[in-house]
Amino acid sequence: SQTIHQWPATLVQPVGSPLSLECTVEGTSNPNLYWYRQAAGRGLQLLFYSVGIGQISSEVPQNLSASRPQDRQFILSSKKLLLSDSGFYLCAWMGSMNTEAFFGQGTRLTVV
Amino acid sequence: SQQGEEDPQALSIQEGENATMNCSYKTSINNLQWYRQNSGRGLVHLILIRSNEREKHSGRLRVTLDTSKKSSSLLITASRAADTASYFCATVPYNAGNMLTFGGGTRLMVKP
Repeated sequence: SQTIHQWPATLVQPVGSPLSLECTVEGTSNPNLYWYRQAAGRGLQLLFYSVGIGQISSEVPQNLSASRPQDRQFILSSKKLLLSDSGFYLCAWMGSMNTEAFFGQGTRLTVV
Repeated sequence: SQQGEEDPQALSIQEGENATMNCSYKTSINNLQWYRQNSGRGLVHLILIRSNEREKHSGRLRVTLDTSKKSSSLLITASRAADTASYFCATVPYNAGNMLTFGGGTRLMVKP
C-alpha cells in the first residue's frame, strides 16, 4: 500500500536560519507531489508541485524553494527563514488528475 | 492562488441535523474533490466528482456539482459529534496539468 512520510512534526527555527523539510512516498511510482502551507484557521495555499524528477512548478513567489531529487522524494527549503514563513506545511501526492490525493501529517514550523 | 471558496466559513449544528457546505470555483475543472481535516492533522479524502458528473454519494455524504454555476455542495446527513472538523473543496483545473488547489474551508462543529 502507498504511504507518505513527512518530517519533522514540529520545528522551531530562528529567523535567518535555513530550512529543509523532507517528504517521501512509498508504494507508488511517478507520483505528482505537492507542498502546501496552511495558516492557522485558514485554507491550504499551494506552494509547489512536481509532475516528475527535476520538474518543479512554483505557485507563489516567496522565500522558499523546492526540489525533487528522486522520483518519490520532495524537499522544501529556504536559505534564510522569515517570521512570515511560520505555518503548517503539508506534503501530498496524487497518482493522476482523476484520483484522490494523500497527505502527510504535516510539519508545524514556528520561526522565532 | 486559491481556486475554490467555501461557504459558510463556520457552521455549528446539533447532532442529528444535516450540514451543508458550498464551494465555488473560478475556472473550468477536470474534477472537484472534498477533504476533511481534523485539527492540526493532514487532510483525508472524502469524495471526488468528475466534471461530467452531477451527484455522488458515499455513506452519509452527498456531493453535487453544477459546472454551469461553477459550484459544488457537500451534504452530511444525520451528523455526529465525530464529524466535527474542517472541510475543504479542491479542484484540478482544466488544462493546468495536475495542479490541485484548495479553498478556504468550512469549520464544522457538531454539538452532542
